[in-house]
Amino acid sequence: QVQLVESGGGVVQPGRSLRLSCSASGFIFSSYAMYWVRQAPGKGLEWVTLISYDGSDKYYADFVKGRFSISRDNSKNTLYLQMNSLRAEDTAVYYCASSPLVTFDYWGQGTLVTVSS
Amino acid sequence: DIQMTQSPSSLSASVGDRVTITCRASQGIRNALGWYQQKPGKAPKRLIYAASSLQSGVPSRFSGSGSGTEFTLTISSLQPEDFATYYCLQHNSFPNTFGGGTKVEIK
Repeated sequence: QVQLVESGGGVVQPGRSLRLSCSASGFIFSSYAMYWVRQAPGKGLEWVTLISYDGSDKYYADFVKGRFSISRDNSKNTLYLQMNSLRAEDTAVYYCASSPLVTFDYWGQGTLVTVSS
Repeated sequence: DIQMTQSPSSLSASVGDRVTITCRASQGIRNALGWYQQKPGKAPKRLIYAASSLQSGVPSRFSGSGSGTEFTLTISSLQPEDFATYYCLQHNSFPNTFGGGTKVEIK
């Protein structure tokens, strides 16, 4: 049974940092690209970042470039999102998911990040 | 960056209706497009990949078409469980981009 479980969300002050994790099981995590998507309260989906299967290629949305960093540890079947210099507009539910390039489609349940003083 | 313009932003329909949602890309994206359904409080779920391929386990009343810059999601006969918000996602180039969403509501 495939599972993606995000963790690390919470309330953080503007300008601070937070690291999200996404633990994968039930599929060969190390063979597939993964990505993060976010959704601000009451808003639509936003693509945030994607990492290749081996971590060698990373891509970012303009609004997080230079502040967020995606990484993975294939030995631990875990995806990460390091978020620095957080802003109020980064408040959202963050989902990890399998790359849209593959025929299967796996998503986590999401973790809420609230940036507030 | 490629902009995805989705229309309509919302629609009201009855059970049994045929529903069509459109996404237009600001430049050609071949068939690198997926359609997603999201219900309140839940993660998105992909219905269609590669513009027209039905995701495993998804009912056949859902279909996708298009290539290049114009894409369509069709629900042939709307069912009660289909009331949700739908999004397109282009993955032809980075950054990938979602459409703005279409909320399908009960008439």
